[in-house]
Amino acid sequence: QQQVKQSPQSLIVQKGGISIINCAYENTAFDYFPWYQQFPGKGPALLIAIRPDVSEKKEGRFTISFNKSAKQFSLHIMDSQPGDSATYFCAALRTSGSARQLTFGSGTQLTVLP
Amino acid sequence: DAGVTQSPTHLIKTRGQQVTLRCSPKSGHDTVSWYQQALGQGPQFIFQYYEEEERQRGNFPDRFSGHQFPNYSSELNVNALLLGDSALYLCASSFLGQNSPLHFGNGTRLTVT
Repeated sequence: QQQVKQSPQSLIVQKGGISIINCAYENTAFDYFPWYQQFPGKGPALLIAIRPDVSEKKEGRFTISFNKSAKQFSLHIMDSQPGDSATYFCAALRTSGSARQLTFGSGTQLTVLP
Repeated sequence: DAGVTQSPTHLIKTRGQQVTLRCSPKSGHDTVSWYQQALGQGPQFIFQYYEEEERQRGNFPDRFSGHQFPNYSSELNVNALLLGDSALYLCASSFLGQNSPLHFGNGTRLTVT
């Protein structure tokens, strides 16, 4: 019940195109859904996050769409740029009192062609 | 404002040895978590500390232990190292408040030979 499933495993997009990454979860106890961007040799960097009572959140070129009933959420990157080429992870946070546990998807390697 | 800092950045150990990794949280953060990231995979939760106590633990053996100090910094200890422990070890910190995002350091790359 702790699993977060992410697809696709890899994605190639032309510069200026839209990149879409999808995730699904099973545990309804998750209460916060962040997306992270990771470059080689670096730690994951928080990109954008959403609460389950919100259906969409937009920050610049990045948008999260959240479907609570389907237990699915997705990241849209508009006007994709070569500098966006990185590995993207969806994640789900479960909080219980003072306990915090973040469960990650398996990652999507995005390549944006110039 | 310094983010999450980890040391050392790289480490090479021999099977059976013990290792200690260190983490300083982002300024103002009071909870620290540790994650293991194998090559090509997503980070896996090891454990989380708050007020110097382990609050949550993932599916890792007792060879993995940790500590949080009064200044909120943290250590991860791994005993009896196995080849399979080779990975990037990530520290993350946050406020304890709900919906407080986790901020990650750049990790310690551990190689066990």
